[in-house]
Amino acid sequence: AQTVTQSQPEMSVQEAETVTLSCTYDTSESDYYLFWYKQPPSRQMILVIRQEAYKQQNATENRFSVNFQKAAKSFSLKISDSQLGDAAMYFCAYMGNMLTFGGGTRLMVKP
Amino acid sequence: DAGVTQSPTHLIKTRGQQVTLRCSPKSGHDTVSWYQQALGQGPQFIFQYYEEEERQRGNFPDRFSGHQFPNYSSELNVNALLLGDSALYLCASSLYRQRRNYGYTFGSGTRLTVV
Repeated sequence: AQTVTQSQPEMSVQEAETVTLSCTYDTSESDYYLFWYKQPPSRQMILVIRQEAYKQQNATENRFSVNFQKAAKSFSLKISDSQLGDAAMYFCAYMGNMLTFGGGTRLMVKP
Repeated sequence: DAGVTQSPTHLIKTRGQQVTLRCSPKSGHDTVSWYQQALGQGPQFIFQYYEEEERQRGNFPDRFSGHQFPNYSSELNVNALLLGDSALYLCASSLYRQRRNYGYTFGSGTRLTVV
């Protein structure tokens, strides 16, 4: 079974600065997808960014980018120019046969 | 374009009772997955429905059962409720043939409290 680990329960960043959230996963598969989801207090999971394992190029979506290290099974999320609206729970997720989530990182943004 | 709709938003039940949660998938999606999210934790996969059949199941007891209707909507049933069943229940939808590479679209969940 696949497992996803987020080792940072909480992170804090100053508005306009950059923060990196860590994620590692365990799998024996070679073809899979990785995702970062954001869950604000409204509770709805919002897709932030996705990465295809067979692509070496790191995915980027505006201020959000990932550092995908397949051999190390690492998938970190970098948020640049942090905004107050970025404050939320962030979940790393692995897609094999189903979507498996990590335990989450609570991101706080200080004005 | 309606997203994933879940009802009710909140629910309070007594231990031992039964509960039914409902989910309407995003327009164009044919697959529904259910997750349980305990407070402060990541969502845990319960099961997935496609073509009105349970396709995959997580590590949940038989007290948790589901159904998918011809219009792709779905229900999650939990029997003999325990205090530990208190959680946020999330429904997620996808298009079956694209579910792996595009992920899921989530609803806002049903907050179940068992007293």
